[in-house]
Amino acid sequence: EAQVTQNPRYLITVTGKKLTVTCSQNMNHEYMSWYRQDPGLGLRQIYYSMNVEVTDKGDVPEGYKVSRKEKRNFPLILESPSPNQTSLYFCASRRTRGPYEQYFGPGTRLTVT
Amino acid sequence: AQRVTQPEKLLSVFKGAPVELKCNYSYSGSPELFWYVQYSRQRLQLLLRHISRESIKGFTADLNKGETSFHLKKPFAQEEDSAMYYCALIRHQGAQKLVFGQGTRLTINP
Repeated sequence: EAQVTQNPRYLITVTGKKLTVTCSQNMNHEYMSWYRQDPGLGLRQIYYSMNVEVTDKGDVPEGYKVSRKEKRNFPLILESPSPNQTSLYFCASRRTRGPYEQYFGPGTRLTVT
Repeated sequence: AQRVTQPEKLLSVFKGAPVELKCNYSYSGSPELFWYVQYSRQRLQLLLRHISRESIKGFTADLNKGETSFHLKKPFAQEEDSAMYYCALIRHQGAQKLVFGQGTRLTINP
């Protein structure tokens, strides 16, 4: 089954404790990205990757890091989480040459206290 | 700059009534537009795209380049249509970014 998976689905952590949210896709998509979803603000892109070893900032990259060492994986790293990073996070993937349907992961609900 | 505007954050209609979720965009090139839906506690999924000119779950959307709109319509709402709906536009140049509107939460009342 074609899908995007994320882990963990729920995470409660404390300020400053480094964490990683994993994302994996099995569709051989070149493009992957991370979004955060907040009430009233919709979806905002954090980082994206056009292919292996190619990453770039989205709209709200501050406080986040990513890496793309393999085509299927695109982890999101919070080196020193803060309460304002409490949010619902989605990973997504798609082709770069169409069709441009974007597939989303199930989401990770992160709470930073 | 590319922008997608969904003027209604909340929309509530009764079952069986027509539904229209508004979406306006600004884009200098030839746009490719989508509607995504997110049911409660589920991931976002593609509902429809303008190039397919299809009808999914009774929903249709027509691209109006003159009015720069891509409104989503359904003639008779059903309770299972209650969800969050996002209009999105893809920018083909450069980073090929998918630009989302802020979303409209649709509630269908019985």
